[in-house]
Amino acid sequence: GAGVSQTPSNKVTEKGKYVELRCDPISGHTALYWYRQSLGQGPEFLIYFQGTGAADDSGLPNDRFFAVRPEGSVSTLKIQRTERGDSAMYLCASSLNAGVGEQYFGPGTRLTVT
Amino acid sequence: GDSVTQMEGPVTLSEEAFLTINCTYTATGYPSLFWYVQYPGEGLQLLLKATKADDKGSNKGFEATYRKETTSFHLEKGSVQVSDSAVYFCALSDINFGNEKLTFGTGTRLTIIP
Repeated sequence: GAGVSQTPSNKVTEKGKYVELRCDPISGHTALYWYRQSLGQGPEFLIYFQGTGAADDSGLPNDRFFAVRPEGSVSTLKIQRTERGDSAMYLCASSLNAGVGEQYFGPGTRLTVT
Repeated sequence: GDSVTQMEGPVTLSEEAFLTINCTYTATGYPSLFWYVQYPGEGLQLLLKATKADDKGSNKGFEATYRKETTSFHLEKGSVQVSDSAVYFCALSDINFGNEKLTFGTGTRLTIIP
């Protein structure tokens, strides 16, 4: 079956602009996670959804970052007033249910802020 | 907070050599432990996992044993192949504390030469 998909695969934007990154989880997966991976580092947790609600947003670095999952499936990560330090690979993962512990990752969106 | 420390890379081995990548962790609860692999040009994939002390996870000839007494989860393979060249990430998830997120190490790049 289809895996987790993310669009776009690459995004280049200018400092100060607004961007949206989209994640389509595996069908039927109720838990969805966003991570950020800087070059040479492991992924770092940003936010976790169980269904439509954000169960844990403790990893969002500041209030320029926001994510939604209005129908409990597709999720959008939104970044306002982008800064060069936001440049990274943004990864989305989903799991069948929270607590199973096995997360399936998408290919990521590489964001570059110039 | 939770953290994962893994062996610094890069690691270069000859085909059929024995592989060990060290991983130790710090967690407030009783975590589940994972190894994820990222092949060139591909997304993160779960390689193996263990959910309780003394459990051994195994897949594709790789093994790792959950050692609570040493807080370790070292990855091993008896005879590596060129196709094992990838970046390997150790990770934990502290589900028992209601914390679904994965905490990753920094990754170890493995290159196998024929």
